[in-house]
This record gives sequence, C-alpha cells and structure tokens, in this order.
Amino acid sequence: GQQLNQSPQSMFIQEGEDVSMNCTSSSIFNTWLWYKQDPGEGPVLLIALYKAGELTSNGRLTAQFGITRKDSFLNISASIPSDVGIYFCAGLSWGKLQFGAGTQVVVTP
Amino acid sequence: KAGVTQTPRYLIKTRGQQVTLSCSPISGHRSVSWYQQTPGQGLQFLFEYFSETQRNKGNFPGRFSGRQFSNSRSEMNVSTLELGDSALYLCASSPPGADVSLYEQYFGPGTRLTVT
Repeated sequence: GQQLNQSPQSMFIQEGEDVSMNCTSSSIFNTWLWYKQDPGEGPVLLIALYKAGELTSNGRLTAQFGITRKDSFLNISASIPSDVGIYFCAGLSWGKLQFGAGTQVVVTP
Repeated sequence: KAGVTQTPRYLIKTRGQQVTLSCSPISGHRSVSWYQQTPGQGLQFLFEYFSETQRNKGNFPGRFSGRQFSNSRSEMNVSTLELGDSALYLCASSPPGADVSLYEQYFGPGTRLTVT
C-alpha cells in the first residue's frame, strides 16, 4: 500500500483559484517528484526537488521540498480548465520511488 | 526525442494465461522501471532494470518477471494471470547518472491489461 500520505484526496475548484496539495511521510526522502496524470495516460513529470527547503517553479506550478525532508507541497496558481487531472507526489528512497495516492483536481468554469 | 513507448496499449486476457508487455525507453536512458496502477492500490513499484540487470524489486509474487535487452528495451511478463492482475502497467525510464543525483523518471502511456 501507499507509504506517502497525500492530501487532499480531491479538490473541486473554480477557474482562477489557487490549488494547494501536500505529501507527508514518516520516512526521509532524498528527492521529491510531482506528476500529473490525465485519464488513460501515463504520469507526466512536472517538478523535481533535490534539496531540503528547495522551492522550484514551473510556470504556474510551485513546489517545495520540506525542511524535514519528510514532506513536500505543490501549489497551482490561477487554475485553468486544463489543470484538471490527478496529481501525484513521489519520494525517492533507497533507489525506489514511492507514490502518494494522488489528488484529483476538478476545475469548474 | 521520442518519449517512452509501450506496446500494446490495450490487452484482454483470460485467467490462467500469460502476457508479455514491452517498453522502449527514451533514447539514451538505461534504467527502466515497471509499475502497476490500480484504483485500490495506486502506483506500485514492480522492478527496475539497469544495464540488463534487475537492480530493484518490489513486493510482487514471482509470477511477475521482467528482463532488459542490450538496447535498453524491456519486457515484463505475467504468468498464470489472475483477475486481480487487471491494471494499468506503466513503464518509466531514467537518464544516465540519475541514480546518483538529479533523479528524474519519465513514464510511458501504459498498457491497460484486463483479465477476464
């Protein structure tokens, strides 16, 4: 089963709103990756984080590597309809990626 | 550069049969990982191959096996299929040196396997 706790499980937001989601774990990770998956497709890498405290942006996306190395956050600013999908966090430990259960984002006009 | 490709995209098999799925990594990538994705269990790591050797393995029964060829292409095999094996099987590749630092992993579109 999942070892990363990702929340919220789902979000229903209006276009233009900001979105925040996070992943927490009892384990320390060396790398955090954030992915977006559309229905019927594989996950697409959005942001990669490699240092505790690191803050990285990719367009309207911003992610942070928690200071304790046990958590990470993803923010989407000014959401648009194409932001709909499932967002996954993944932590790298001992050469293996562990995934969160995903946050389903639904954007309404 | 072409992305990770997987074939076939969809497959329907009967319980008890076996199946082989194929994955071609991004050109230059030598590490290939396989995952099983189901609504109930999410993304579960199956195994990772690097330079034709299995480097990491998840907690799946021996019915799940894989191999990697000298051109880095990889295959995954599931024998004696069970209904619970119905899932999206995803392959991902990583660039050289990614295991040391600046780790990244890129996924293919997946193979949707349905076991009836």
